[in-house]
Amino acid sequence: NAGVTQTPKFQVLKTGQSMTLQCAQDMNHNSMYWYRQDPGMGLRLIYYSASEGTTDKGEVPNGYNVSRLNKREFSLRLESAAPSQTSVYFCASSDWGLAPKNNEQFFGPGTRLTVL
Amino acid sequence: DQQVKQNSPSLSVQEGRISILNCDYTNSMFDYFLWYKKYPAEGPTFLISISSIKDKNEDGRFTVFLNKSAKHLSLHIVPSQPGDSAVYFCAARYQGGKLIFGQGTELSVKP
Repeated sequence: NAGVTQTPKFQVLKTGQSMTLQCAQDMNHNSMYWYRQDPGMGLRLIYYSASEGTTDKGEVPNGYNVSRLNKREFSLRLESAAPSQTSVYFCASSDWGLAPKNNEQFFGPGTRLTVL
Repeated sequence: DQQVKQNSPSLSVQEGRISILNCDYTNSMFDYFLWYKKYPAEGPTFLISISSIKDKNEDGRFTVFLNKSAKHLSLHIVPSQPGDSAVYFCAARYQGGKLIFGQGTELSVKP
């Protein structure tokens, strides 16, 4: 099992350009998440999808859109990139359930994005 | 408004000694707390968790303590090993599965 995979690993954009970050998981998880990690800020939730067909905003959704393409794939789109979106982006997935193990989130390796 | 805070950006300990990483939170509605470990250029990986109704959970060298009255949790690593050098994030669970993360503490274990 590959777990959670993300593409690309690195990307440099100019202000105003658009791009889509791809994420896929092979663990048959229902829920998927997009985070950004910035120095001194920890990981902040951008958007999440509790199940196929649903998406909801997290803490910092402005400037982003998402698509839950199917159970495996959850993409993050930047329509008009800004320097403030320079960050490391992580995708994660988890199953449902009330026990902590069932809410453990599995993370991909991240995408390092620079917006000039 | 940072609901989960890790006030120490870094910590350095000698191999074999105890590492204590701290985390404070403000929201009494969190029902689980988790610790994640992150190596450079990798995604975070789950380490250990604790329910809000417990005060201690142990897994090998790792123990998490929860003090609900103080809204404080800590991760103890005994004995610390050089391979434990990483960034550690605490996280609190709310609304059925979403997590709020602290800023992280970079642990360096020196041989």
